[in-house]
Amino acid sequence: NAGVTQTPKFRVLKTGQSMTLLCAQDMNHEYMYWYRQDPGMGLRLIHYSVGEGTTAKGEVPDGYNVSRLKKQNFLLGLESAAPSQTSVYFCASRPGSYSYEQYFGPGTRLTVT
Amino acid sequence: DQQVKQNSPSLSVQEGRISILNCDYTNSMFDYFLWYKKYPAEGPTFLISISSIKDKNEDGRFTVFLNKSAKHLSLHIVPSQPGDSAVYFCAASEDINNDMRFGAGTRLTVKP
Repeated sequence: NAGVTQTPKFRVLKTGQSMTLLCAQDMNHEYMYWYRQDPGMGLRLIHYSVGEGTTAKGEVPDGYNVSRLKKQNFLLGLESAAPSQTSVYFCASRPGSYSYEQYFGPGTRLTVT
Repeated sequence: DQQVKQNSPSLSVQEGRISILNCDYTNSMFDYFLWYKKYPAEGPTFLISISSIKDKNEDGRFTVFLNKSAKHLSLHIVPSQPGDSAVYFCAASEDINNDMRFGAGTRLTVKP
């Protein structure tokens, strides 16, 4: 039981390049989330999903897109990376609407130059 | 607009003493609060939570206190151990279907 895994762990992009971050969970959780963590800002919600095939915007969605084609996977895409998207990205999952607790992946450190 | 604030970026305590981490919030609609602990190069892990209908919740060495009138909560760790050295995040949510808002975190260092 791996819990929540994130791929890749590190990535360096040039401005304007695109990439996809993959999050996978093996706990059969309904809800999944993407956060970014910046110094002095805490974790901020980018997008989330309450089930397979659904997505919704969080607090800071601009410049990102997501897809949840399979229940266990939640993809975060950057179509045209900007230096302001340099951050640590965390994926999390949650069993369902009956539990507040979220389970986090180890994070992806992204640098955009 | 940070609705959850942890005003102390860092805290250092001696092993065996009490650690008190503080969190303030501005949204009076928050009704559930959680503390997460984060080690370097790992994701946050859930530590303890409290509902707004309570003012205290205890789990072993960890106790969370909630003062709704002051919009303040605190995490007490007694006794503190070197393994408790980590970043602690406070989080809050209006209800089970709403987003969770996180504070910026407090880095706790417990010295042997």
